[in-house]
Amino acid sequence: GGIITQTPKFLIGQEGQKLTLKCQQNFNHDTMYWYRQDSGKGLRLIYYSITENDLQKGDLSEGYDASREKKSSFSLTVTSAQKNEMAVFLCASSIIGSGNTLYFGEGSRLIVV
Amino acid sequence: GMPVEQNPPALSLYEGADSGLRCNFSTTMKSVQWFQQNHRGRLITLFYLAQGTKENGRLKSTFNSKERYSTLHIKDAQLEDSGTYFCAAEGQEAGNTRKLIFGLGTTLQVQP
Repeated sequence: GGIITQTPKFLIGQEGQKLTLKCQQNFNHDTMYWYRQDSGKGLRLIYYSITENDLQKGDLSEGYDASREKKSSFSLTVTSAQKNEMAVFLCASSIIGSGNTLYFGEGSRLIVV
Repeated sequence: GMPVEQNPPALSLYEGADSGLRCNFSTTMKSVQWFQQNHRGRLITLFYLAQGTKENGRLKSTFNSKERYSTLHIKDAQLEDSGTYFCAAEGQEAGNTRKLIFGLGTTLQVQP
């Protein structure tokens, strides 16, 4: 079986700082996603990527950049960290096409001081 | 309202009890997926449904696209069932991208 690995598990940064989260999957999945989970607000889609070098905006893309350097990795950058952005960021992957389930990583918690 | 409304927000059960969680959709959805978020934060897929009912051990899920709802039923609750359960639906416009719209979750606590 495959696995999705997110690094780092905890990311501490200062307000205004540019911070990057990384995600690696060895499922050989086409599509990868970044979700943000705030307490009491469920998961919201930030960016997704259908294939290598592809990038699609989700519902919450403002203030973020993403990069799909290769099929197995998808990184997310907070362009200017704010204290109200403290949340858990979850990476997921799936095979392209309906009927295929998503597999999630364990999440990265962003702390802004 | 919210595209995916999940109820109840929180649920407390004793071991051995049965209960159900429900998601209502504001519009017709193509499919629904149910997840359990464990204590480590990882979301684990429980079910994917495009229609009908699926069963896996003590869990059963139903999706009725026409009536715009899905349910997750837990039978004989165990301590390890504790966690947060999310439903996530795929809208008709999602195409092949598997963009999911998540509910706010149900936090389940199973007590001995």
